[in-house]
Amino acid sequence: AAGVIQSPRHLIKEKRETATLKCYPIPRHDTVYWYQQGPGQDPQFLISFYEKMQSDKGSIPDRFSAQQFSDYHSELNMSSLELGDSALYFCASSGYTAPWDNSPLHFGNGTRLTVT
Amino acid sequence: KQEVTQIPAALSVPEGENLVLNCSFTDSAIYNLQWFRQDPGKGLTSLLLIQSSQREQTSGRLNASLDKSSGRSTLYIAASQPGDSATYLCAVTPTSGTYKYIFGTGTRLKVLA
Repeated sequence: AAGVIQSPRHLIKEKRETATLKCYPIPRHDTVYWYQQGPGQDPQFLISFYEKMQSDKGSIPDRFSAQQFSDYHSELNMSSLELGDSALYFCASSGYTAPWDNSPLHFGNGTRLTVT
Repeated sequence: KQEVTQIPAALSVPEGENLVLNCSFTDSAIYNLQWFRQDPGKGLTSLLLIQSSQREQTSGRLNASLDKSSGRSTLYIAASQPGDSATYLCAVTPTSGTYKYIFGTGTRLKVLA
């Protein structure tokens, strides 16, 4: 079965550079979530989209922005990168937006971003 | 503010042992709780999802229970195998707030052959 696809798998950037992470949800999933997981940390919610509109926002820095496109894929844009942005960035998708729908989230394998 | 804690943080057991991982959450107002497995440097794999109205869910050697009123969930792994070695995370969906899934701190499990 198709899973959530994230690209690239690994990304190395220097401080103050810009990075773009891409996420392709499971077919027919219209909701995308972005999470950031620092070394030894639990995943922290960044932002989510439903039907191409931002639905929720977590602890996402102002330097980051994201959007969901007409084909439901999503991109996370990160500017003025800092050393502390080094982390594993996960994308997850689900078929519904309502939290009470009890549909599980499906996660991609993540993009490991290293800022030097 | 909802906080999710997992105890122990790390666990090492011999192969074949039955084991229990614990997850506690401070606010019982949740829609569901989900257990995930994460291998090093990899994504999260969903194991079991328990709705707030349910008491337990089973999948193969895994059994997850939920006691919403006391803010606790346990993941029971029967006859552990070296391939079960991974980090196990629980996550809750709060009924208040604006986003889905607050994760616990994880339990790093190592099953020794």
